[in-house]
Amino acid sequence: DAGVTQSPTHLIKTRGQQVTLRCSPKSGHDTVSWYQQALGQGPQFIFQYYEEEERQRGNFPDRFSGHQYPNYSSELNVNALLLGDSALYLCASSLQRSSGNTIYFGEGSWLTVV
Amino acid sequence: DAKTTQPPSMDCAEGRAANLPCNHSTISGNEYVYWYRQIHSQGPQYIIHGLKNNETNEMASLIITEDRKSSTLILPHATLRDTAVYYCIAYNTNAGKSTFGDGTTLTVKP
Repeated sequence: DAGVTQSPTHLIKTRGQQVTLRCSPKSGHDTVSWYQQALGQGPQFIFQYYEEEERQRGNFPDRFSGHQYPNYSSELNVNALLLGDSALYLCASSLQRSSGNTIYFGEGSWLTVV
Repeated sequence: DAKTTQPPSMDCAEGRAANLPCNHSTISGNEYVYWYRQIHSQGPQYIIHGLKNNETNEMASLIITEDRKSSTLILPHATLRDTAVYYCIAYNTNAGKSTFGDGTTLTVKP
C-alpha cells in the first residue's frame, strides 16, 4: 500500500517562473492538504482540497493555487516565483469521514528559486 | 485551530524515557491532539493522536490532561534514531486548517 507520493523531489526554478508540484494521496484517502516549510521552521498550511474544491486556505497569496482531480490526486501551482518561495512543499492526505483521522505526509518537494 | 506551545529543545539519554510536553490551552472540544516528528527535513512522520483519553501505540504514549489544556508525548525507551524535531498540533480534520509551531528538537545522547 503506497503512502503519499510527491513529485518532483527536487527542482530549481528562476525567479518569475511558474511551478507545478504533484501529489498522490494514500490509497483510500480523499482529502489533500498542502504545506510550505521554510528551513528551520514548522510547516505552514497553504490550503486543503476535498471533493475537487478548496475548503480551507491559509495566509498565502493568490499566486498559490491548486487543483484536485476525481482520483483525489492534487497539484500545487505557484506563479511568479519569488526567492522567498524556496522551501520544502509537503502534501498530506486524510479521509474526510470523521474528525479524528490519521493524517499522512509525503516526503516533500524541495523547491529552490534562483 | 488552537495554538500550541512546546519547548524549543530537549535532551534525553539513550534507553531512558523521553517526555515531551505541549501546551494547548485554547484547544476546542472537537480538536484532537496530534504528534508528528521530522528527521532531516523529510516528511513529517505520524506518531499518535488523541481527543481526551490517553493513547498508546507501538511508537509512543500520549497523556492528555483532564482539562485538555496540555499533553505529554512519551517515548518509553529512546534510541539515537529518535533524535528529531517533534511537533504537537491541535487539529480537527473536518475544519481543514492546521497550525504547526516550531516544535521541540529532541536530541538522544549515548
